[in-house]
Amino acid sequence: QSALTQPASVSGSPGQSITISCTGTSSDVGGYKFVSWYQQHPGKAPKLMIYDVSDRPSGVSNRFSGSKSGNTASLTISGLQAEDEADYYCSSYTSSSTYVFGTGTKVTVL
Amino acid sequence: QVQLVQSGAEVKKPGASVKVSCKASGYTFTTYYMHWVRQAPGQGLEWMGIINPSDSSTRYAQKFQGRVTMTRDTSTSTVYMELSSLRSEDTAVYYCAREEFSNTYMDVWGKGTTVTVSS
Repeated sequence: QSALTQPASVSGSPGQSITISCTGTSSDVGGYKFVSWYQQHPGKAPKLMIYDVSDRPSGVSNRFSGSKSGNTASLTISGLQAEDEADYYCSSYTSSSTYVFGTGTKVTVL
Repeated sequence: QVQLVQSGAEVKKPGASVKVSCKASGYTFTTYYMHWVRQAPGQGLEWMGIINPSDSSTRYAQKFQGRVTMTRDTSTSTVYMELSSLRSEDTAVYYCAREEFSNTYMDVWGKGTTVTVSS
């Protein structure tokens, strides 16, 4: 199972919106509504930000939103803030009943 | 509160095995799956496998088949991940993370256990 493809880095100024893509295949991202997104600050454990493509756990800011089209899922961060600077990973359930993560995206707030 | 407390850092020689533990508290242990995910230095997250603590059934990533074993002890609400035939490329932080039955995402993560493989 190959890792899902994400851009290595995305940057934006405070207040702007950015979007991170996550491209897989019809056997993972495209085949299920089971895409999740995780935020990871340096030296910390990942934190769930989005699940089931577009749902937000309680406590996660509504500045974070998710969507999916075909084999590509996306995470959008609106009103970018300094605290959003982190690594972001997508994950998908797969047709083999396993899970796969994306390659990861480093978000920089300029 | 819900917590996953992992065992301490390990240093192992190539060819050895390591067993990492993850003790759950604050919820019903047998109603959540437990995943193991690792992260090599400077690299991304890599899914290793999942265990169902209620019946100890497991599913492993193909990459680790034959080398990883996940087990659980319901009396102590602890899951274990044992990786054998260690090589330098297994140097990583190993995380446990829970997933509620019928869900497909990891909502609570342990802080991670650093495993260093070096001669």
